[in-house]
Amino acid sequence: SQQGEEDPQALSIQEGENATMNCSYKTSINNLQWYRQNSGRGLVHLILIRSNEREKHSGRLRVTLDTSKKSSSLLITASRAADTASYFCATDRAGGTSYGKLTFGQGTILTVHP
Amino acid sequence: DGGITQSPKYLFRKEGQNVTLSCEQNLNHDAMYWYRQDPGQGLRLIYYSQIVNDFQKGDIAEGYSVSREKKESFPLTVTSAQKNPTAFYLCASTQGYGYTFGSGTRLTVV
Repeated sequence: SQQGEEDPQALSIQEGENATMNCSYKTSINNLQWYRQNSGRGLVHLILIRSNEREKHSGRLRVTLDTSKKSSSLLITASRAADTASYFCATDRAGGTSYGKLTFGQGTILTVHP
Repeated sequence: DGGITQSPKYLFRKEGQNVTLSCEQNLNHDAMYWYRQDPGQGLRLIYYSQIVNDFQKGDIAEGYSVSREKKESFPLTVTSAQKNPTAFYLCASTQGYGYTFGSGTRLTVV
């Protein structure tokens, strides 16, 4: 079964607007990570938030984690056309080995119009 | 520059043929992973290795095999037992904080 589920499946916005993507998961986690994938390419790691953290920032990215609701959100502020990509959340389950196996969600396709 | 190299970028397989996808990293990472991605889908774990000469099955290992004879290399063989191999294959590695991915191999059955 899929550990992470992203919402919405697709998001279309204008340049300069903010984009918010949500992720829900089912089991306890060590950490949750967000990745970006441009069409036909590999994934790029964006940010990692540990289970004892509630919010984290990196440049124009803001990630929140609510372990009581088993959910996370990724906010991209002041979006640019270059932000157009698919965004995936991935969970590293609690109780795993030292190098966790990540379970990926289905992804959100973000389109930013110039 | 450190990174992961996957080759080839495109691969065509005939029915009944085994093919091997290459994955090489120069990041000195202990753990390496193979994922499969189908159109519009997330990634599903095929195999992973956390140390040389050891590897474990992921969620969809049937029809695939791997080896880890060197720390830098984690090749994936798609065997004839894999009935639906057409997909995008991604290799990744980590030393504990986020994965580094290769650029992928697109495998098509002809």
